[in-house]
Amino acid sequence: GNSVTQMEGPVTLSEEAFLTINCTYTATGYPSLFWYVQYPGEGLQLLLKATKADDKGSNKGFEATYRKETTSFHLEKGSVQVSDSAVYFCALSNTGNQFYFGTGTSLTVIP
Amino acid sequence: DTAVSQTPKYLVTQMGNDKSIKCEQNLGHDTMYWYKQDSKKFLKIMFSYNNKELIINETVPNRFSPKSPDKAHLNLHINSLELGDSAVYFCASSQVSGSGYTFGSGTRLTVV
Repeated sequence: GNSVTQMEGPVTLSEEAFLTINCTYTATGYPSLFWYVQYPGEGLQLLLKATKADDKGSNKGFEATYRKETTSFHLEKGSVQVSDSAVYFCALSNTGNQFYFGTGTSLTVIP
Repeated sequence: DTAVSQTPKYLVTQMGNDKSIKCEQNLGHDTMYWYKQDSKKFLKIMFSYNNKELIINETVPNRFSPKSPDKAHLNLHINSLELGDSAVYFCASSQVSGSGYTFGSGTRLTVV
């Protein structure tokens, strides 16, 4: 079946720290992988995506590389800001366009 | 222009009441969804419609009934509301596989 596992939070970092949020997946076939971000009181927004192995998605200083050999899509940012405080969701999309979301990881960045 | 819009944004109601949440998308997408997000931020898919046809109907109480009058609208009607229905409900839409979802801003339902 299809599923996504992401590291549990909450994660608290100081401003300018390095961020990694781990995400691994189980899927049949060749899924597309996504990171969504949910700021407080808002809906989910697409942060970045990758549609095939070894693709790197990037946006707003965040990056994630689709690793088929380790079935992973870890989210990284070199220097976080207070404005990055949000909940981050890893997700995969497989045949039929159904999405499978991880449980979300809450990030708080303190000045 | 808002791509996926939901109304109302907040809904407070008493147990036993019937309420509806409306969703509209102006992206020309073929598929629309309803998700429920609980207090721990866990997202659970409830329904999916493709061109007005129900294609995903997860295990939700039959008090929840989706209605899609056309492919740009997907409404959610809830009968006999219970305390456990309190959550944030998100509407989303998508076009093709792998293209990602566009989410609405959510409806926070509180049942008292």
